[in-house]
Amino acid sequence: DTEVTQTPKHLVMGMTNKKSLKCEQHMGHRAMYWYKQKAKKPPELMFVYSYEKLSINESVPSRFSPECPNSSLLNLHLHALQPEDSALYLCASSQEGAGPNTGELFFGEGSRLTVL
Amino acid sequence: GQSLEQPSEVTAVEGAIVQINCTYQTSGFYGLSWYQQHDGGAPTFLSYNALDGLEETGRFSSFLSRSDSYGYLLLQELQMKDSASYFCAGRGGGNKLTFGTGTQLKVEL
Repeated sequence: DTEVTQTPKHLVMGMTNKKSLKCEQHMGHRAMYWYKQKAKKPPELMFVYSYEKLSINESVPSRFSPECPNSSLLNLHLHALQPEDSALYLCASSQEGAGPNTGELFFGEGSRLTVL
Repeated sequence: GQSLEQPSEVTAVEGAIVQINCTYQTSGFYGLSWYQQHDGGAPTFLSYNALDGLEETGRFSSFLSRSDSYGYLLLQELQMKDSASYFCAGRGGGNKLTFGTGTQLKVEL
């Protein structure tokens, strides 16, 4: 199984809503990532988890709250978002140890978020 | 941090060879990856250069020169399905992967 599965594929929410994005992988990877991508732009790193611990937070606003319940799951909790947060949110995973040597991240298809 | 610059758009004809360049400025650099992304799709890994030189994988080759802070992706025997966005990505410490500005490749008949 070389898949990263993200749900939901599409999400529309109001600025007062609370929602969550979910990501799952069963490749035994111990590094997991959240990226944000706007149209015609590169993916921008938001968070990195290594062995279920948050290792990188790229100064992301607190209205985005990541969670890594176990080595296979990664969540992104959303609260009080702004319309400019509308984007494609990509989850990825990689091996630890071998990851930095191969540079390979496995990406999910993304969750397309629209904030009204 | 890292910044990686690419040409915004490249156009080539089917069957041709095209080179997509990437120049980078970085503090802390372990290697350069390349990713392909079709419209509406996920980025998919193409290649990785940890050391200077050329890495070849089928129709795709990637090159890195650390002394010049420069790399490129070479696509041979272009096919229509190669029309996509291509991103270089710099590998930093702590599993940090920073994407370049991206190049949209258009393959024409």
